[in-house]
Amino acid sequence: EIVLTQSPGTLSLSPGERATLSCRASQSVSSSYLAWYQQKPGQAPRLLIYGASSRATGIPDRFSGSGSGTDFTLTISRLEPEDFAVYYCQQYGSSSWTFGQGTKVEIK
Amino acid sequence: EVQLVESGEGLVQPGGSLRLSCAASGFTFSSYAMHWVRQAPGKGLEFVSTINTNGGSTYYADSVKGRFTISRDNSKNTLYLQMGGLRAEDMAVYYCARGGRGGWYYFDYWGQGTLVTVSS
Repeated sequence: EIVLTQSPGTLSLSPGERATLSCRASQSVSSSYLAWYQQKPGQAPRLLIYGASSRATGIPDRFSGSGSGTDFTLTISRLEPEDFAVYYCQQYGSSSWTFGQGTKVEIK
Repeated sequence: EVQLVESGEGLVQPGGSLRLSCAASGFTFSSYAMHWVRQAPGKGLEFVSTINTNGGSTYYADSVKGRFTISRDNSKNTLYLQMGGLRAEDMAVYYCARGGRGGWYYFDYWGQGTLVTVSS
């Protein structure tokens, strides 16, 4: 099973700043099979990025994904107040789906 | 509008059983793989199970294999999760999620979740 490790655990930033979230896999992951989700307290997760870099329907272009192999990144170019949340990466491989442990983006 | 509505929330004793349902609307249910994902209180997301479009292929996390069964009724646009041999560590909010348009590799729509409590 591929293990995803997200860093940092918590990111303290101010609105308007740039956020860079990392997701590292224990084995190579096909870029087609790497996704990112946002979850706010008391809500279901929301798909942000699939295929490592494709934005889901309705997702603002301040969200972007990149990476390949074992290293993937979610970037939020300028944080809006509604972006403070927990972010998860997720991969699929060999009929197995796994999530990272999450990165919390909090207001500094 | 895609909607996924889970039901079946409940309190069950260790070793007990519970069936969750997920009613889908706003899309052609039979054309999409479906998934269950859970989240223990204060914890992260954990994949539970997947079923393909016609129900012929199913996959489970090792933690639930042999105890949980995923199924679907395409005539009723409904996904199910039959849970047995429940343990304290199964206590969580259970989400149903639709597989992405591009394949079952990711989850593009999620329900609001239903809470399963395991306690004596």
